[in-house]
Order: sequence, then C-alpha cells, then structure tokens
Amino acid sequence: QSVLTQPPSVSAAPGQRVTISCSGSSSNIGHNFVSWYQQLPGTAPKLLIYDNNKRPSGIPDRFSGSKSGTSATLGITGLQTGDEADYYCATWDASLSAVFGGGTKLTVL
Amino acid sequence: QVTLRESGPALVKPTQTLSLTCTFSGFSLNTSGMCVSWIRQPPGKALEWLARIDWDDDKYYSTSLTTRLTISKDTSKNQVVLTLTNMDPVDTATYYCARTTVTSMGRHFDYWGQGALVTVST
Repeated sequence: QSVLTQPPSVSAAPGQRVTISCSGSSSNIGHNFVSWYQQLPGTAPKLLIYDNNKRPSGIPDRFSGSKSGTSATLGITGLQTGDEADYYCATWDASLSAVFGGGTKLTVL
Repeated sequence: QVTLRESGPALVKPTQTLSLTCTFSGFSLNTSGMCVSWIRQPPGKALEWLARIDWDDDKYYSTSLTTRLTISKDTSKNQVVLTLTNMDPVDTATYYCARTTVTSMGRHFDYWGQGALVTVST
C-alpha cells in the first residue's frame, strides 16, 4: 500500500492529452515539493518533473506538472507510443523519508 | 557525466545480511546539496524508498525498515554502501541507487543506476 495514491492505469490515443493524478496528505504533498518519474519497460526510472513543475534539461515541454493542496498532477500532451511506461510521483514526509505513489501504467492506444 | 552503478550479490539466503555498493562518478558527495538514496522495486510492484545519506553525513531511513538498514559513504572511493539485515523472500527486488539533489525548494532523484536484482531464496 503506497503512501501516495495514483490511478493504476490511464490510456489515450496518440496525439491526445492525458493527466495522471497523485493524491497525498498535509504531511507529505501538502508541505513538500513533488517530483515525477517515467519508467520504461525493463529500465530504471527517469526524472521527468521536479519541484512540482520544473523539467530537467532534455525533457520535452509535452510533459508538465502542477500541485494544488495535497494533490499533484502530471500532464502529457501530444501522446506518442514511446510514452508508454509506468509513471510515479514522489515527495517527502515530515520524517524526511521519501514516499512514492503506487505507479500509473500509461497505455497509448 | 553523472553515472551510478549498483553491485552486490544476486542471491542471498533468508536471515543473511545484504550488502550493496553504489559506485558513482560525475559528482562529489562532499558537495553541499548532494545526496545518494537507495530505492527498491519488487517484481511488478511500485518503488519503495529505503535510505538516504547526505553530503554532511546525515542519514535518513525508511521508518518501516529503520532497524534493519544502515547506509554509509566512502567519499574517497565515490561509494555508498547499504546493508539490510535479516533478509526475507519479501525483500526480493531490484535495488537502485539514485543521486538525490537538494534544491532551495525540495529534493529529487535526478540520476539513477541501472539497478541490481537481488533474490532471497534458500
């Protein structure tokens, strides 16, 4: 049982937009910044978004992040088949431990 | 170029102690704001954070595993070592080390190793 709640799966057609939600509490998302990770099949996770809405160098602006209260959202526009992956949100809690979401499997139909 | 690589046994027996080494390059753990975390992922399951060690040698552990975990660093060798005692089959997972960067706003895992699969079995 993960501390942060994500939908197990989402799907959309190529070219469309999808959002993935991440719900937490006042002790984690409510007081800390959120990061998002993409895990392609059989590979290590890769940083997509940090500090709620910042993109590392090399991450296209099709990926965006936002946070409101105790929830965060990852948005992906212009979906491509190469975006099929598991996506995880993460933040930190009051004990300075990191917490992850349960992951969301994105299917591009 | 930042790289991290995990090394250690692929198979351990129940009750044994697991020791994993993360060897990194491209950054220094003597630099303010630099940290290394260990994160694991059981087959087909979600990521689970285990521990973190900071540039100033502060250490943080998962509250559910704190009694079994120890993290340490050797800055001269650019290595971080994680030990997990009393291994059980439920500890079977791919273990990742990840550089953890502290900014003025938060912390995030910006570079990851390829992962090391550890199986716990007799």
